[in-house]
Amino acid sequence: SQELEQSPQSLIVQEGKNLTINCTSSKTLYGLYWYKQKYGEGLIFLMMLQKGGEEKSHEKITAKLDEKKQQSSLHITASQPSHAGIYLCGAFTHNQAGTALIFGKGTTLSVSS
Amino acid sequence: NAGVMQNPRHLVRRRGQEARLRCSPMKGHSHVYWYRQLPEEGLKFMVYLQKENIIDESGMPKERFSAEFPKEGPSILRIQQVVRGDSAAYFCASSPPEQGGETQYFGPGTRLLVL
Repeated sequence: SQELEQSPQSLIVQEGKNLTINCTSSKTLYGLYWYKQKYGEGLIFLMMLQKGGEEKSHEKITAKLDEKKQQSSLHITASQPSHAGIYLCGAFTHNQAGTALIFGKGTTLSVSS
Repeated sequence: NAGVMQNPRHLVRRRGQEARLRCSPMKGHSHVYWYRQLPEEGLKFMVYLQKENIIDESGMPKERFSAEFPKEGPSILRIQQVVRGDSAAYFCASSPPEQGGETQYFGPGTRLLVL
């Protein structure tokens, strides 16, 4: 079965610093999603990548899907305390509608001011 | 457009009781997914439903758990005779009925605590 591995598991950065979170799949990715979860709350959709080489940005967060479609990275520029939370990558295991997502275990980000 | 709604947000049950978790998808969404997040573990898929149909329940425990999405009303995840191991956050997600992998939007979750 397909698995998603996220690294690092946790990260503490100083406010203003850049950081990168990685998500590696054991199989080809058919749609890669990044969500953010604040402790005790639901998941907030950040962005979705489908094509190899695709890159998307939202405010100071950029995500890329590599050409071979087995790895994605999430990059935050000039981190702020509001970026703190748990970042989850999710992926479809099949290229069809109505497929359940599998998730990595998450990367917990803390931003110190 | 209201997001995915779940209630209750917190639920406390004693061992052996029943738990009913409700999920109202976003307007226009006909696909509903239930996921469970256990302490120290990632989100795990449980069941995928469309109106009046269970499409995929491969992640659902074989006993005590059931789900429905009736023609009218919210989707319900029902856990009978709860045990302490059922304590977790249960999330519902919905997506529109178009073809292809569509974005799933998540509700705030129901946190179940079994005493």
